[in-house]
Amino acid sequence: AQSVTQPDIHITVSEGASLELRCNYSYGATPYLFWYVQSPGQGLQLLLKYFSGDTLVQGIKGFEAEFKRSQSSFNLRKPSVHWSDAAEYFCAVGINNAGNMLTFGGGTRLMVKP
Amino acid sequence: EPEVTQTPSHQVTQMGQEVILRCVPISNHLYFYWYRQILGQKVEFLVSFYNNEISEKSEIFDDQFSVERPDGSNFTLKIRSTKLEDSAMYFCASRDQGNQPQHFGDGTRLSIL
Repeated sequence: AQSVTQPDIHITVSEGASLELRCNYSYGATPYLFWYVQSPGQGLQLLLKYFSGDTLVQGIKGFEAEFKRSQSSFNLRKPSVHWSDAAEYFCAVGINNAGNMLTFGGGTRLMVKP
Repeated sequence: EPEVTQTPSHQVTQMGQEVILRCVPISNHLYFYWYRQILGQKVEFLVSFYNNEISEKSEIFDDQFSVERPDGSNFTLKIRSTKLEDSAMYFCASRDQGNQPQHFGDGTRLSIL
């Protein structure tokens, strides 16, 4: 069965600083990979997705992520963080089966210092 | 942009009572999902639904749970006899056919007393 690990439970960065959130997955084949963001009291908003092709994917709000097969990773990056980026970020893995269920990591809570 | 909508936003129910959580998926989507997130824990898959039948379900989705698409727009999750441990945020999601991502609603917070 597939699994997802987000090693960092909390991260604090200063506004304007760069950000990298780590995600590692375990799956026998190439998975579908996603990053979602959850603001307090809100649902899960899709930031970006990887299905195939170019391993560097661009998403909304200036985020990007890079799929590295050799490291089983799909880290999320942003060059300059804004205070409004403070939220919880979830990495998820999907597989191409009948249900296409998603398996989520535990999430990383991002705090932004002024 | 089309959204997945869930009602109610917060449901408080006595233990042992039945509860129905409602979702309106994005109108042209064909695949439907329920997930739950117990406070402080991971988002967990419950069930997927396609072509009017369950296509996959997790161990959590036992006989107390059922899903239904009663008409062309709604997708419901029923918990027959709620337990304290059913307290969680329940998310509905839908997606289009092909390699498309799942889009999530804002969730229903279920509190069992």
